Amino acid sequence: SQKIEQNSEALNIQEGKTATLTCNYTNYSPAYLQWYRQDPGRGPVFLLLIRENEKEKRKERLKVTFDTTLKQSLFHITASQPADSATYLCALGGLYSSASKIIFGSGTRLSIRP
Amino acid sequence: GAVVSQHPSWVICKSGTSVKIECRSLDFQATTMFWYRQFPKQSLMLMATSNEGSKATYEQGVEKDKFLINHASLTLSTLTVTSAHPEDSSFYICSADRNRDRQETQYFGPGTRLLVL
Repeated sequence: SQKIEQNSEALNIQEGKTATLTCNYTNYSPAYLQWYRQDPGRGPVFLLLIRENEKEKRKERLKVTFDTTLKQSLFHITASQPADSATYLCALGGLYSSASKIIFGSGTRLSIRP
Repeated sequence: GAVVSQHPSWVICKSGTSVKIECRSLDFQATTMFWYRQFPKQSLMLMATSNEGSKATYEQGVEKDKFLINHASLTLSTLTVTSAHPEDSSFYICSADRNRDRQETQYFGPGTRLLVL
């Protein structure tokens, strides 16, 4: 069956450390993968997109890797801050005729303690 | 740029009534919009893909006669929950596709919380 799993429903780390979130998928062949941030009661906010032919993408304190052999993406937040506390969602795209249609993973609630 | 709004932000209604939710792209045109539903502590589940000027494409298990979608213009899509029941209570989120420069990026609205009594 097809699955998108974000390991760790919740992650709690110390401020200043690097937070690493994982996204694993089964029986999908995405052309790209995205990461979103969602705060309680709000819609998701786009963070990064990485394509199947890219290994790594960076944006400020964020880094995403994409391993199509392992069917896994890692999302890193370096020098984490309490303001980074939120739910982070991965999403797979390029699966259908509609290029922008995406399927979300289950999400990881990240808490950064001061 | 790339702002998506939803109206209303929250609604409480009696069982059996119909509720309309609007999704607007404020500063760009969107030929495609998506509607999602999110239950507490769960991820977003895609309900349907809304294409301007054509019928919506519904995901498996989503009743098209219950969740009516109209995408009448390049900046507006509406979702009508017909004969709402308590189990329809959820957080409904729309997104608009701004497919520019090969960035398949969806911009999400703030969501509409529906409570059916």
